Amino acid sequence: KAGVTQTPRYLIKTRGQQVTLSCSPISGHRSVSWYQQTPGQGLQFLFEYFSETQRNKGNFPGRFSGRQFSNSRSEMNVSTLELGDSALYLCASSLEAGKETQYFGPGTRLLVL
Amino acid sequence: GQQLNQSPQSMFIQEGEDVSMNCTSSSIFNTWLWYKQDPGEGPVLLIALYKAGELTSNGRLTAQFGITRKDSFLNISASIPSDVGIYFCAGKRFEGFKTIFGAGTRLFVKA
Repeated sequence: KAGVTQTPRYLIKTRGQQVTLSCSPISGHRSVSWYQQTPGQGLQFLFEYFSETQRNKGNFPGRFSGRQFSNSRSEMNVSTLELGDSALYLCASSLEAGKETQYFGPGTRLLVL
Repeated sequence: GQQLNQSPQSMFIQEGEDVSMNCTSSSIFNTWLWYKQDPGEGPVLLIALYKAGELTSNGRLTAQFGITRKDSFLNISASIPSDVGIYFCAGKRFEGFKTIFGAGTRLFVKA
């Protein structure tokens, strides 16, 4: 069974641009969560989607948004990028929403210049 | 907000030594999780704990859910070079609530 895949793996953007990251969960998993990982703040929860609905949201500004499609694939979007948005963005999938056994993808490393 | 205090921040040990790290919080959690992250990869779940006092092993790894529900520890016995990585604790208060992660313990093992 294929694991969680994230695309792209690496991305360089400039301030003010917007970016869309993609996550394909493990086949059969219906919940997708997104995290931001930085050296200073560690792993910070962004949001969780289940059955195309946002179930939980972390404390991030409205520039961070996401969505989930009917095939459980998810995208997150960051608009008006800031230097501080440089981070590793991790996606995790699980069978159901709120279940503890999350499987993480390799992440997308975003660098904002 | 909820925070997990994970210590130590980093450890430098000799191959064959045992390792211990812990996580504490001022809040009660109903689930404690331990993950390991290798460079360039996402975290991988090592052990999940669901009951206060529970002691669970996974090979050379042993983790315990504290009696107070406010802490957990992870032990690694007879460390080997491939144990190198960042170990994260994580807590979840209730099913459906978001998972809170500790800042991680970076482990270095010298062969």
